Amino acid sequence: DIQMTQSPASLSASLGETVSIECLASEDIYNNLAWYQQKPGKSPQLLIYYASSLQDGVPSRFSGSGSGTQYSLKINSLESEDAATYFCLQDSEYPNTFGAGTKLELK
Amino acid sequence: QVQLKESGPGLVQPSQTLSLTCTVSGFSLMDYSVHWVRQPPGKGLEWMGRMKYDGDTYYNSALKSRLSISRDTSKSQVFLKMNSLQTEDTAIYYCTLITTDYWGQGVMVTVSS
Repeated sequence: DIQMTQSPASLSASLGETVSIECLASEDIYNNLAWYQQKPGKSPQLLIYYASSLQDGVPSRFSGSGSGTQYSLKINSLESEDAATYFCLQDSEYPNTFGAGTKLELK
Repeated sequence: QVQLKESGPGLVQPSQTLSLTCTVSGFSLMDYSVHWVRQPPGKGLEWMGRMKYDGDTYYNSALKSRLSISRDTSKSQVFLKMNSLQTEDTAIYYCTLITTDYWGQGVMVTVSS
């Protein structure tokens, strides 16, 4: 099974700052990487698919990059609504696997 | 309009079998694959398995011996059955088209006597 190592586990940042979250796959996942945002009591919402494609309706301050085994999610100009937990998911092969999540707190 | 909705018992006794139903609308189960994902309280997401559009199934190796996913295309329903439940199976269970924005609201299942 492909292991997804996500870092950091938690993050505290101020409004207007830029943050990055990383996911490292245990083998090449050929850009088959998605990023989700989840708020308490809600289902995950897709932000990015295929490593860097922005889901419709997602603000352009979210961006994804990477290739091979290393991927990142960048959030520019943090807004209060960005406080949430973020997960990566590889769907390159079965079983699909998630990163452990990054909890983003706004100062 | 694509929708998925999970249903099932909120409480299951240890060692018993969990049966959940995912009822979908707005698409055909013969066109899209439906996945099951679960999330223990306060923890991360675990991919459990999927029912492919052609009827094929694939399971998380850690759950394979206990898990079964089936469907009834005429009723637009996908079923999850998992036996020998333990307290660590307490979680919110989601059905989803995954790598899309189409997720059910989730159903909380508590394993307790």
